Amino acid sequence: KAGVTQTPRYLIKTRGQQVTLSCSPISGHRSVSWYQQTPGQGLQFLFEYFSETQRNKGNFPGRFSGRQFSNSRSEMNVSTLELGDSALYLCASSLSGQGASYEQYFGPGTRLTVT
Amino acid sequence: AQSVTQLGSHVSVSEGALVLLRCNYSSSVPPYLFWYVQYPNQGLQLLLKYTTGATLVKGINGFEAEFKKSETSFHLTKPSAHMSDAAEYFCAVSVIQGAQKLVFGQGTRLTINP
Repeated sequence: KAGVTQTPRYLIKTRGQQVTLSCSPISGHRSVSWYQQTPGQGLQFLFEYFSETQRNKGNFPGRFSGRQFSNSRSEMNVSTLELGDSALYLCASSLSGQGASYEQYFGPGTRLTVT
Repeated sequence: AQSVTQLGSHVSVSEGALVLLRCNYSSSVPPYLFWYVQYPNQGLQLLLKYTTGATLVKGINGFEAEFKKSETSFHLTKPSAHMSDAAEYFCAVSVIQGAQKLVFGQGTRLTINP
């Protein structure tokens, strides 16, 4: 099976702009989670989508949003970018159903740089 | 709220030596515990997990970890380090069955000396 894919891999944006990142989960996986990784804050949970519904949400401002499509692909959007949003954004997918083993499989990430 | 503490942001061992990466968790309910590894410019790869049952779990690449409830620990070990083990290692906890929200430790960077 193909792994989790994320596009684009690298992105440079200017403060105040918005950005959309895309994630395609492993085939058959219905849960998609997003994490932000920075040197200072480490890995932090953004949100999780399951069957097109946000099921969990982390402590991030409303500028961070996401959605999931019927094919389980997910996008996250960051509006009004700030310098502090520069990070590696990781997407993870999971089966997340009855009897599922709960592990998440991560994509390679999108490196966002805000200038 | 659950939390994870990894003792030592940097660990250095010689090739062939024992690798021990420490992880302690805080949780009011039985946790699900994971170790992930991250190589430069890559995402996270699952090494092993503990959900229920046997407290000594074996993972990929010769790694294993033991869940000790009394010590709230989940330390990662490997008997003999290889140069290819050089990476960053993350311990994570998930406490809600079926929930896909991981709380990660700050990570431990493992360096292998030849």
